[in-house]
Amino acid sequence: EAQVTQNPRYLITVTGKKLTVTCSQNMNHEYMSWYRQDPGLGLRQIYYSMNVEVTDKGDVPEGYKVSRKEKRNFPLILESPSPNQTSLYFCASSFYPPGQGSTGELFFGEGSRLTVL
Amino acid sequence: AQSVSQHNHHVILSEAASLELGCNYSYGGTVNLFWYVQYPGQHLQLLLKYFSGDPLVKGIKGFEAEFIKSKFSFNLRKPSVQWSDTAEYFCAVSHSGTYKYIFGTGTRLKVLA
Repeated sequence: EAQVTQNPRYLITVTGKKLTVTCSQNMNHEYMSWYRQDPGLGLRQIYYSMNVEVTDKGDVPEGYKVSRKEKRNFPLILESPSPNQTSLYFCASSFYPPGQGSTGELFFGEGSRLTVL
Repeated sequence: AQSVSQHNHHVILSEAASLELGCNYSYGGTVNLFWYVQYPGQHLQLLLKYFSGDPLVKGIKGFEAEFIKSKFSFNLRKPSVQWSDTAEYFCAVSHSGTYKYIFGTGTRLKVLA
């Protein structure tokens, strides 16, 4: 089954304790992206990746890191989480980058709800 | 900066009522337009998309949207909503210039049975 898988789905942590949210897709998609969803703010892009070893900042990258060593995986790293990073996080992927090709729609993971105390 | 505006933040309708959710974007070039739906507790799913051609796009579950280039709009419509349409709806825009998708802030739709 074609899917984007995120783990963990729920996590409560404390300020400063490094954590990684994993994301994996099995559709051979080139483009992957991380978003955070906050009430009243919609989805805001954190980082995106056009392909292996190609990553770039989105609109709210502060406090986050990413890597793309393999095509299928795109982990989100919070080196020193803070309470303002409490949010719902979505990983998404698409075959083509935005604006290219007719299959540029995003496929989303189930979401990871993170609480930083 | 490019942006997407969804003017209705919360909409409450009775079953069988007609729905129209507004979406306006600010980019002046060639765009691709999307509507995504997020049912309670679930991830976002594609409802419909516009890339080119007929500006009236039909999606799943009886939804449709019309691209009006002169108004920079891509409004979502459904003639008769059902209780199961209760969800949050997001409009999104992409174009090759930025390699990004830009989402609106979402519209929460509640359909009363």
